[in-house]
Amino acid sequence: KAGVTQTPRYLIKTRGQQVTLSCSPISGHRSVSWYQQTPGQGLQFLFEYFSETQRNKGNFPGRFSGRQFSNSRSEMNVSTLELGDSALYLCASSRNTGDRNTIYFGEGSWLTVV
Amino acid sequence: AQSVSQHNHHVILSEAASLELGCNYSYGGTVNLFWYVQYPGQHLQLLLKYFSGDPLVKGIKGFEAEFIKSKFSFNLRKPSVQWSDTAEYFCAVISSGSARQLTFGSGTQLTVLP
Repeated sequence: KAGVTQTPRYLIKTRGQQVTLSCSPISGHRSVSWYQQTPGQGLQFLFEYFSETQRNKGNFPGRFSGRQFSNSRSEMNVSTLELGDSALYLCASSRNTGDRNTIYFGEGSWLTVV
Repeated sequence: AQSVSQHNHHVILSEAASLELGCNYSYGGTVNLFWYVQYPGQHLQLLLKYFSGDPLVKGIKGFEAEFIKSKFSFNLRKPSVQWSDTAEYFCAVISSGSARQLTFGSGTQLTVLP
């Protein structure tokens, strides 16, 4: 069974540009969440989607947004990129909203802002 | 808000040594607990998880963890480490009803010397 798939794996953007990252969850998983990983801040929660609805959002500025499609695939967007947005962006999926569901991570998208 | 503390930032061991990585969380209610591992250049992989029941849980690759509710701890152990265990280890918690939001510790870098 395929895991969580993220594209692109690596990208370089210029300050001020915007970027869209994509995530395909494990088949049958309806919850998709996004995390940012940096050496300084560690792993931080961005947002979580379930059935195309954002259910939870972390403490990030409005430049960070996301959405989920009817097939559970998700995208996140960062507008007006800043140097500090350089990070590994991880997508994760889980089956549903129950308490006994494990969260599985993709390989991540490495974003470098120059 | 919940938080997770991993007090060991970098642990260096020789092969065959025993390992214990500390993890403490702050949350008074029901929690689900996880340990993830990130090998160099790879994505986060689930080592083990605790939802309820037996507080001693066994995971992959010979790892185990013990949930001690009174101490708010979920320490990771392995009797005999191998060079291939060199990686970064993250403890994470979901509180009941937090909509699939993982709160991570800062991670522990484990280096195993051959």
